[in-house]
Amino acid sequence: GQQLNQSPQSMFIQEGEDVSMNCTSSSIFNTWLWYKQDPGEGPVLLIALYKAGELTSNGRLTAQFGITRKDSFLNISASIPSDVGIYFCAGRPNADKLIFGTGTRLQVFP
Amino acid sequence: DAGVIQSPRHEVTEMGQEVTLRCKPISGHDYLFWYRQTMMRGLELLIYFNNNVPIDDSGMPEDRFSAKMPNASFSTLKIQPSEPRDSAVYFCASSSTPYNEQFFGPGTRLTVL
Repeated sequence: GQQLNQSPQSMFIQEGEDVSMNCTSSSIFNTWLWYKQDPGEGPVLLIALYKAGELTSNGRLTAQFGITRKDSFLNISASIPSDVGIYFCAGRPNADKLIFGTGTRLQVFP
Repeated sequence: DAGVIQSPRHEVTEMGQEVTLRCKPISGHDYLFWYRQTMMRGLELLIYFNNNVPIDDSGMPEDRFSAKMPNASFSTLKIQPSEPRDSAVYFCASSSTPYNEQFFGPGTRLTVL
């Protein structure tokens, strides 16, 4: 079946540093989404990408839909303590289902 | 809007017992999804409904799992009999269309002893 490889698995950074994580797929996706999950909560959508090559920002977050449609990355600039959590990529291979990546656990130290 | 509501938030049960997880989607959302999250397998789609009708249950692990949506505002996921390997966080999510954002509930953490 389709799989999403997300890297890195975890990151430990200092407040103020920039963060970059990415997701690759073995097949083409029509949509890429990036979610954040706080402890004890469900994932919350951060950014949605619908076209190959699309670059979208949401505050300090920037995400891009790869030209090949098989990858996406998420950047967080000037990290702050509340950025702590697990970040998931998700791809939509067809009209309805989402396939989730394995997650990147981010820890930010003051 | 209250968002997606799930109950209970935590469930501890013994192997062999029946477990029922409940979900109330956001009003007006026609799509409802059940996911399971574990450290080993991440977030997996179990089943989803459109207008109360199950569309794809290919992710349901085995016959011990069943899901129903008797009306637009309520869905259940039942495990009978439960096994320790069913221990996970189960999420319900809803969306207005299959292309739109899925809103997740807070999840039910299930522990089967």
